[in-house]
Amino acid sequence: DTGVSQDPRHKITKRGQNVTFRCDPISEHNRLYWYRQTLGQGPEFLTYFQNEAQLEKSRLLSDRFSAERPKGSFSTLEIQRTEQGDSAMYLCASMGSAAKNDGYTFGSGTRLTVV
Amino acid sequence: GENVEQHPSTLSVQEGDSAVIKCTYSDSASNYFPWYKQELGKGPQLIIDIRSNVGEKKDQRIAVTLNKTAKHFSLHITETQPEDSAVYFCAASSYSSASKIIFGSGTRLSIRP
Repeated sequence: DTGVSQDPRHKITKRGQNVTFRCDPISEHNRLYWYRQTLGQGPEFLTYFQNEAQLEKSRLLSDRFSAERPKGSFSTLEIQRTEQGDSAMYLCASMGSAAKNDGYTFGSGTRLTVV
Repeated sequence: GENVEQHPSTLSVQEGDSAVIKCTYSDSASNYFPWYKQELGKGPQLIIDIRSNVGEKKDQRIAVTLNKTAKHFSLHITETQPEDSAVYFCAASSYSSASKIIFGSGTRLSIRP
């Protein structure tokens, strides 16, 4: 296992198009988090999963955003009808035992540019 | 909810000198404080963390201190090297918030040769 993988690394899309990103967490990690990072800012929480259950969504996650983790393994984040304000780095992270409240392992992110 | 403030936003130090980054948090329930280093084009990488039951932790040239009463925590890097140049983020979380980590706004550290 080489860590958290995200695909694609870069995505350029026209305004109004739909995009989907994929995250493959560390295999034994049951928690998966999505964050968004804009230039010069820290990552902002979007949503998280424990196994296949989506347990919390940020107010940042508008109705155009949807995330899934169908079998408790990989996750997808879809943005519908993209807007220029959606341009950002989308980061995925996974964590093992919640009881330990341990740190995340992040992927390298997907950089989205909406033109 | 939790709010984490970080300063300075930029820091330039001479190679070999020390660098200090400071953060404050608002939620007294926070009990876990990680620090991340982010290099250009990469995701944040955990470099050190501290839990609320200790006041200080050291790992080679990096140390973190925590003052729970004042809700302050700091990162200290000694004998800085060019490869320390990066953006550093402090963060806070609590088990009660499902381990959701809230990040500061980052410090861009530059090491002058």
